[in-house]
Amino acid sequence: EVQLVQSGAEVKKPGESLKISCKASGYIFTDDWIGWVRQMPGRGLEWMGIVYPGDSDTRYGPSFQGQVTISADKSTNTAYLQWTSLKASDTAIYYCARNIGTNFFNAWGQGTRVTVSS
Amino acid sequence: DIVLTQSPGTLSASPDQSVTLSCRASQTVNANYLAWYQHRPGQSPRLLIYEASTRAIGIPERFSGSGSGTDFTLTISRLEPEDFAMYYCQQYGSSPRTFGQGTKIDVK
Repeated sequence: EVQLVQSGAEVKKPGESLKISCKASGYIFTDDWIGWVRQMPGRGLEWMGIVYPGDSDTRYGPSFQGQVTISADKSTNTAYLQWTSLKASDTAIYYCARNIGTNFFNAWGQGTRVTVSS
Repeated sequence: DIVLTQSPGTLSASPDQSVTLSCRASQTVNANYLAWYQHRPGQSPRLLIYEASTRAIGIPERFSGSGSGTDFTLTISRLEPEDFAMYYCQQYGSSPRTFGQGTKIDVK
């Protein structure tokens, strides 16, 4: 059974850095892309980007290029989403999801709630 | 970028009713590479349909997708209580991948 287990909720201040994680199991981690989707409060889903753990090839949505870093560690089957300087507008739920061939997401993590407030 | 416009924004329906949700693209979706997801409150999204009409593993037959080009629909036959949720379409025929803004199905 494919499982994606995300790290817990975070409360941070503007300007702080953050790295959240997503540990995958139940499939060959290096065979499929894995990505991140944002849901801001009261809003819909936004495609942030994906990474291929086999060679770390990464694709970003235009709104997220340069704003976040997506990475993966194939030694621990874990994907990451990180910020160097958080803003209040980064407050959202972030979902990791297994992405089939850079296409659709067929398995999702439980979500990580990130709150950025002074 | 391909903009996906879902309609209606909210659909009020009763259990056992059949409903149709629309997803219209601003440009042709290559190879009908369009997916539908269900998102229940407090849960993670769930893939329902990919390639416009192929049901994902474990998805009940009451969910069906159709369409091509720029116009796509998701039909739910005989709504069950657990079907009252948000539904999103997503295109993956072009970069960047994009989601529609969602349709909420609530209880009439």
